[in-house]
Amino acid sequence: QVQLVQSGAEVAKPGASVKVFCKTSGYTFSDYTIHWVRQAPGQRLEWMGWIQPASGKPKYSQRFQGRVTFTRDTSATTAYMELRNLKSEDTAIYYCARVLDTINTSCYGRWGQGTLVTVSS
Amino acid sequence: QSALTQPASVSGSPGQSITISCTGTSSDVGSYNLVSWYQQHPGKVPELMIYDDNKRPSGVSNRFSGSKSGNTASLTISGLQAEDEADYYCCSYAGSGILVFGEGTKLSVL
Repeated sequence: QVQLVQSGAEVAKPGASVKVFCKTSGYTFSDYTIHWVRQAPGQRLEWMGWIQPASGKPKYSQRFQGRVTFTRDTSATTAYMELRNLKSEDTAIYYCARVLDTINTSCYGRWGQGTLVTVSS
Repeated sequence: QSALTQPASVSGSPGQSITISCTGTSSDVGSYNLVSWYQQHPGKVPELMIYDDNKRPSGVSNRFSGSKSGNTASLTISGLQAEDEADYYCCSYAGSGILVFGEGTKLSVL
């Protein structure tokens, strides 16, 4: 079955970087775009962008442009999200999500379990 | 890209119907038939309930339905049940590969 398993919780200091992975299984990794979504405590879902695993092409929300990088390792069927220059307001649960199917690419059929990133000095 | 506008909270009694609105602009909700809705229980991962404005993924109850008029999309839940109590988020395609989420609505089943 389709699974997205994310790395564990992280604690980082302001100004540092964090890299979260999203290990996928149960489907052809290259065929489905992976998105990244975050949710600060008690707050709404916030779209961060996506990566096309086949080409490695990313798309970033303007809000994170210049501070975030999406990469992937096709041999490991894993997607990565690195966020740099962390601020306290980056404290959030970070989710990876796979698009529903190869046609419906603007919604998510599967989510990772989420990775809590806490930014604190 | 500003968040789509949703009411902060709605409530209903078991068996009733409720509707949650999601208002965007002519650049997102009004331009594409690509509004989706997610249900999120506390501490849980969001779950897709509606996509492409009004389609239900397999396994989702037919008590959930979606519609849209102009720049406003709506999620209707009929025959309200206690298990429907959750947060609901709309999401729309906004062109150029961009997605935008709504502010979220807390549904209380009284």
